[in-house]
Amino acid sequence: QVQLQESGPGLVKPSETLSLTCTVSGGSVNSGTYYWSWIRQPPGKGLEWIGYIYYSGSTSYSSSLKSRVTISLDTSKNQFSLRLNSVTAADTAVYYCARVGRGTDYWGQGTLVTVSS
Amino acid sequence: DIQMTQSPSSLSASVGDRVTITCRASQTITTYLNWYQQRPGKAPTLLIYSASTVQSGVPSRFSGRGSGTDFTLTINSLQPDDFATYYCQQSYSTPYTFGQGTNLEIK
Repeated sequence: QVQLQESGPGLVKPSETLSLTCTVSGGSVNSGTYYWSWIRQPPGKGLEWIGYIYYSGSTSYSSSLKSRVTISLDTSKNQFSLRLNSVTAADTAVYYCARVGRGTDYWGQGTLVTVSS
Repeated sequence: DIQMTQSPSSLSASVGDRVTITCRASQTITTYLNWYQQRPGKAPTLLIYSASTVQSGVPSRFSGRGSGTDFTLTINSLQPDDFATYYCQQSYSTPYTFGQGTNLEIK
């Protein structure tokens, strides 16, 4: 059974960098079958796709976030990570990591990141 | 970017009812359309992919149809567990955009 778990600070100051890691168990991020994705959800709002990374290292990002976002892969630790620069209060959200195959079929439980001084 | 528009935004129904949620894409996405259910405080779960293929483990009362730009999710004989928010998502081209969600409430 594939499991994903987000980890990282729950509080980030404005203008700083949000960094989260997703640890995958029961499957390999080095698989060419899947993409590994980040999705976020501001409190009380809908889902926003942030981007994904493939085992080769190729990435795709949201049009509105691509100037500030980087997704990377650490195959030795079976993890992938999200960095979002220059955060503001608008980046406060629950951040999910997920596996993308035919649909986004496995999700982490989500982690709330609050941007506040 | 492809825009996804769901209707209605909210819907009230009773246990045993049949409901249909619509999702429209701003351009053709063939059948690259997925549906998710999200209960409060939980991560979304995949219900349907490729417009009409029901994910393993999902009850057969859930069904999806459509191609091109217009899609529907139908839930037959609503059960108490089905009262949740539903999202469509296109995976035809990145960014993989979501609809705004449909909140299904108990009448």
